[in-house]
Amino acid sequence: LAKTTQPISMDSYEGQEVNITCSHNNIATNDYITWYQQFPSQGPRFIIQGYKTKVTNEVASLFIPADRKSSTLSLPRVSLSDTAVYYCLVGDYVDSSYKLIFGSGTRLLVRP
Amino acid sequence: ETGVTQTPRHLVMGMTNKKSLKCEQHLGHNAMYWYKQSAKKPLELMFVYNFKEQTENNSVPSRFSPECPNSSHLFLHLHTLQPEDSALYLCASSQMSSDPYNEQFFGPGTRLTVL
Repeated sequence: LAKTTQPISMDSYEGQEVNITCSHNNIATNDYITWYQQFPSQGPRFIIQGYKTKVTNEVASLFIPADRKSSTLSLPRVSLSDTAVYYCLVGDYVDSSYKLIFGSGTRLLVRP
Repeated sequence: ETGVTQTPRHLVMGMTNKKSLKCEQHLGHNAMYWYKQSAKKPLELMFVYNFKEQTENNSVPSRFSPECPNSSHLFLHLHTLQPEDSALYLCASSQMSSDPYNEQFFGPGTRLTVL
């Protein structure tokens, strides 16, 4: 199963763009890259998912280079409420289930 | 509000007690999951159910016993737990467990403390 590596923590200020990079060197051909956000004492929440190139939604953008060995989550103009843990996940099929592997995540702190 | 509810939100139990955690999803999904999140550790997948059938058991000790009576409800029965089982137990659901576009919707979790 592919594993991910991402920074343990990041600091930012309100209004800035935040880019969190994740490496997944042994990503398999059929793996997707998914990002989740988790606030304290809550379950994770899906942010964005992609396979290659760039994906954008109302919350974030996800950049995936051609070799797919890394990905970057971009949060435009963060606010205090974006303070959370961000997980980069690479899933894989195990038997009949597509399994998501959660790592330790990146703890983002947004300061005023 | 994610459409996935869990009860109770907090639970304190002794090692000899028997208790159950309940999860209900109102999203019409077919797959449900139990995860464990211990302090300073990544989320660990425990069980996967797809169309009420258990498709994965991640080497979870038998003191944790899941039950899925239908696609909307999932239980985790607990008995003779250990203090190291204290954690946040999260339930999630998705359309199908075999789908790579597998956005999982998580409940708020049950904070379990074993004394």
